[in-house]
Amino acid sequence: QSALTQPASVSGSPGQSITISCTGTSSDVGGYNFVSWYQQHPGKVPKLMIYGVSNRPSGVSNRFSASKSGNTASLTISGLQAEDEADYYCNSYTSSYTYVFGTGTKVTVL
Amino acid sequence: QVQLQESGPGLVEPSRTLSLTCTVSGGSISSGSYFWTWIRQPAGKGLEWIGRVNAGGSTNYNPSLKSRVTISVDTSKNQFSLKLSSVTAADTAVYYCARNVNGAFDIWGQGTMVTVSS
Repeated sequence: QSALTQPASVSGSPGQSITISCTGTSSDVGGYNFVSWYQQHPGKVPKLMIYGVSNRPSGVSNRFSASKSGNTASLTISGLQAEDEADYYCNSYTSSYTYVFGTGTKVTVL
Repeated sequence: QVQLQESGPGLVEPSRTLSLTCTVSGGSISSGSYFWTWIRQPAGKGLEWIGRVNAGGSTNYNPSLKSRVTISVDTSKNQFSLKLSSVTAADTAVYYCARNVNGAFDIWGQGTMVTVSS
């Protein structure tokens, strides 16, 4: 299975909004509503930010939102803050009863 | 609350078998419709899903690792384990265990670094 495709880097100024894309196929992203997003600060454990395409776990800021269209999922961070600077990974369930991660996106707050 | 903790050797010789255990505390590994998952991350690289097991012992594996991976569960010890055979330097990574629910990984262990070297 091939990793889902994410942009290597995305940047924005404080207060701005940024969007990270995650492109797969009809056998993963496009075929199931089991897309999730993870935030990982350097040297830290990944943290679940979004599950089920667009659902936020308790405690995750509502500045994080997500959606899906066809084979591409997207994560939007609104009101960008310095603490949002991290790596972000998408993940999807697949038709082979497995999971696949995205290539990862480094978010930089300018 | 449920917590996960990885344990095992930090150094494995090439061609040998890597063995790690994840201990679940604060809840039963048998409760709920959960799968228990292994994920790894080489230094400076992305996350890779290795595979998962449920309390009944049903497993799914990453196709690229399937021939070398075995994941098992011991409900009496509230643990699940990973075995990766014939390791090479490419298997050097931080290995995480995580709980899989609703198509996501909601609780993660702290991760354990495994180096493959002689």
